[in-house]
Amino acid sequence: GAGVSQTPSNKVTEKGKYVELRCDPISGHTALYWYRQSLGQGPEFLIYFQGTGAADDSGLPNDRFFAVRPEGSVSTLKIQRTERGDSAVYLCASSTPGQMNTGELFFGEGSRLTVL
Amino acid sequence: RKEVEQDPGPFNVPEGATVAFNCTYSNSASQSFFWYRQDCRKEPKLLMSVYSSGNEDGRFTAQLNRASQYISLLIRDSKLSDSATYLCVVIYGNKLVFGAGTILRVKS
Repeated sequence: GAGVSQTPSNKVTEKGKYVELRCDPISGHTALYWYRQSLGQGPEFLIYFQGTGAADDSGLPNDRFFAVRPEGSVSTLKIQRTERGDSAVYLCASSTPGQMNTGELFFGEGSRLTVL
Repeated sequence: RKEVEQDPGPFNVPEGATVAFNCTYSNSASQSFFWYRQDCRKEPKLLMSVYSSGNEDGRFTAQLNRASQYISLLIRDSKLSDSATYLCVVIYGNKLVFGAGTILRVKS
């Protein structure tokens, strides 16, 4: 289908390791968001890209988290020195600017990260 | 204080019941408001927007009270398929801020 694609769907890693999570947005969507969802909680904003640039990274919890979108399409969320508290579902969403005004973000199915 | 607060539930209701969820938000500068639905282990999806004048979409009615910073969702004639988590969402600047969600379980 033509939806938002995220890989891997599941990732199990050990404390201290480095992890990359990939998001392939819907073609033509210039806005891309990363959210993190812990069990029993709503999605928590991490970072927003408009094109290639990070327009708002205020949600990144610390400097272990970094995200890029070098060509304005695919984005990678990078987590260094993972901690057990990083375990969550990482959701990517995309939209056009018009859709953002109407509140419609198209989410991928998420990458479930487990840090042992 | 969380930016968007919801009663987590769960709300357990029989088929055909009417159920209402409430949500409060803390920032009076919030611009737009929505309800999202999230099925178990699935991604969130937009259910409907919320307007001050109130709006309906079939069995669903959403209402916004800006003075009280309060949003509601009413579901009439509940169906088994309505069982899900309902997320209250507020736009602040460029980002959607989600509440923790209210769990609805509709039982036959």
